[in-house]
Amino acid sequence: AQKVTQAQTEISVVEKEDVTLDCVYETRDTTYYLFWYKQPPSGELVFLIRRNSFDEQNEISGRYSWNFQKSTSSFNFIITASQVVDSAVYFCALSEADTGGFKTIFGAGTRLFVKA
Amino acid sequence: GAVVSQHPSWVICKSGTSVKIECRSLDFQATTMFWYRQFPKQSLMLMATSNEGSKATYEQGVEKDKFLINHASLTLSTLTVTSAHPEDSSFYICSAVASDPSGQGVGGYGYTFGSGTRLTVV
Repeated sequence: AQKVTQAQTEISVVEKEDVTLDCVYETRDTTYYLFWYKQPPSGELVFLIRRNSFDEQNEISGRYSWNFQKSTSSFNFIITASQVVDSAVYFCALSEADTGGFKTIFGAGTRLFVKA
Repeated sequence: GAVVSQHPSWVICKSGTSVKIECRSLDFQATTMFWYRQFPKQSLMLMATSNEGSKATYEQGVEKDKFLINHASLTLSTLTVTSAHPEDSSFYICSAVASDPSGQGVGGYGYTFGSGTRLTVV
């Protein structure tokens, strides 16, 4: 069975601090996809990244970076020099390739507060 | 590309009435769409998987007679909340799988979410 754990319920930082959002997943499949989404107060889900299980390269996009480690089943999200606009709920998600329709399971989410 | 349009964005209805929510893929064909529900300050919970031309697959604990899903075309799936009650008040959001040109599935484009519908039943 697939499971996504985001142990951090809320994180509060001061602007310009770096912050790491943790994500640990469980799956029996060898082929799967991992996602991070941002949900601002308005509610819509903003896609941030998709990583497939065969690609362990870490990725950097501006102030955002992701650390994928299959050995520890983790897919952490790092925000460098945080800004107030980063305040949102962040969800880590997992999709197994061989489940019908590629359904996605979400973690509980981490609420990030960035104070000015 | 890969835009999903969801309507309405919010709706208030009286208890006992039915509400229909539409999810459209605007520039791609979506053989599979998903419906999620999110209660305040909680995560997204998958309700059902909607497959074009066939019956939806509901997750455990979701009443299929209460949450009717129709995926009649490759670009439209609808969720109807029948005889809505205050406890059905929630944020409903759909997503669609966009296939790559070869039709191999999610590897090409991944998932696109609608903007969500906030349902309030009074």
